[in-house]
Amino acid sequence: GQQLNQSPQSMFIQEGEDVSMNCTSSSIFNTWLWYKQEPGEGPVLLIALYKAGELTSNGRLTAQFGITRKDSFLNISASIPSDVGIYFCAGGFLIQGGSEKLVFGKGTKLTVNP
Amino acid sequence: DVKVTQSSRYLVKRTGEKVFLECVQDMDHENMFWYRQDPGLGLRLIYFSYDVKMKEKGDIPEGYSVSREKKERFSLILESASTNQTSMYLCASSSLGDEQFFGPGTRLTVL
Repeated sequence: GQQLNQSPQSMFIQEGEDVSMNCTSSSIFNTWLWYKQEPGEGPVLLIALYKAGELTSNGRLTAQFGITRKDSFLNISASIPSDVGIYFCAGGFLIQGGSEKLVFGKGTKLTVNP
Repeated sequence: DVKVTQSSRYLVKRTGEKVFLECVQDMDHENMFWYRQDPGLGLRLIYFSYDVKMKEKGDIPEGYSVSREKKERFSLILESASTNQTSMYLCASSSLGDEQFFGPGTRLTVL
């Protein structure tokens, strides 16, 4: 089945630094999503990408849907302490009835030192 | 705002007990999903449903069943809980072709 390779597994950075993480796969996806999860909570959607080559920003976050449809990256600029958490990528593909199934990466744990 | 709620945040059960995890969404979404999340393994799909009374197996359905009698509610059932089912359980819902929104999770411990 489809698998996503998300890297890095963890990052320790200083406040104000930029962050970059990515996901790759041997499979093609229709959508790429980036979620953030804080301790004890469910994942919260940050950015959704629907077209190959699409570059989308949400505040200090920027994500791109790779042109081959097999990869995506997420950048966070000027990190702040509240950026800490686990970031997950997810690749979506269509299944019966027009529903979409997601495959998740294993997550990137981000720690920001003030 | 989409709201997905789960019946319990924390649950402790004994081996062999029957366990029900409930999920409710208030956005009239067609699709609902149950995942489990374990350290180092990420989120893995257990079951999903794309309509009332419809269910499909995900990647790890063994030891679980589901029920969707109403559009807004999707239940995950552990017929006979085992210690290897100790995990964080996440429910999600989505509209057709749209992104999934997650509930806060239920942390289940089976003793």
